[in-house]
Amino acid sequence: GDSVTQMEGPVTLSEEAFLTINCTYTATGYPSLFWYVQYPGEGLQLLLKATKADDKGSNKGFEATYRKETTSFHLEKGSVQVSDSAVYFCALSPFMDTGRRALTFGSGTRLQVQP
Amino acid sequence: SQTIHQWPATLVQPVGSPLSLECTVEGTSNPNLYWYRQAAGRGLQLLFYSVGIGQISSEVPQNLSASRPQDRQFILSSKKLLLSDSGFYLCAWTLGGTGTDTQYFGPGTRLTVL
Repeated sequence: GDSVTQMEGPVTLSEEAFLTINCTYTATGYPSLFWYVQYPGEGLQLLLKATKADDKGSNKGFEATYRKETTSFHLEKGSVQVSDSAVYFCALSPFMDTGRRALTFGSGTRLQVQP
Repeated sequence: SQTIHQWPATLVQPVGSPLSLECTVEGTSNPNLYWYRQAAGRGLQLLFYSVGIGQISSEVPQNLSASRPQDRQFILSSKKLLLSDSGFYLCAWTLGGTGTDTQYFGPGTRLTVL
């Protein structure tokens, strides 16, 4: 079945450091890929998404590129801020899922940014 | 624009007591609806999904149940809570139909079973 693997956390960075959170997936066909962010005590918010190979999703300075050849969707940000401290989830939605349309999530990566 | 509500925000219940969590969506029609659970420090586990009124699919056998009495209302229930039911419960919606699309999440309910 489909699966998503994320790097273990927590990831601790200083403010203005470069961020990479690795995500790889296993799925048939061409799934859509997502990054969600969860701030403490809150639900999940969509951060960015990509629906086909070589697409780049971007939002709030975060970027991720859909790499079909390496089945990866790594999240990057050039300069993190304290306010970016949160848990980040990588997820996929199966291609042509005509009914269920549920997401498969990775286990989440906690990011802590220190001032 | 679409909005998703969940209540209550926080709940503390004794073992063996019943449970009812409610989720409502505004601003869309015939959405797919989902219940996820997030245990402490863990990822999200899909519990139930629904593609229409009265249509419920269960992903994980357990002592929880779900119902969809109205198009934009999704309820998670239990007759007798277990300690292992503690967690953060998230409701989500996506557009109905075919193809892939983004899921939108509610603010969640934190359930503690003592």
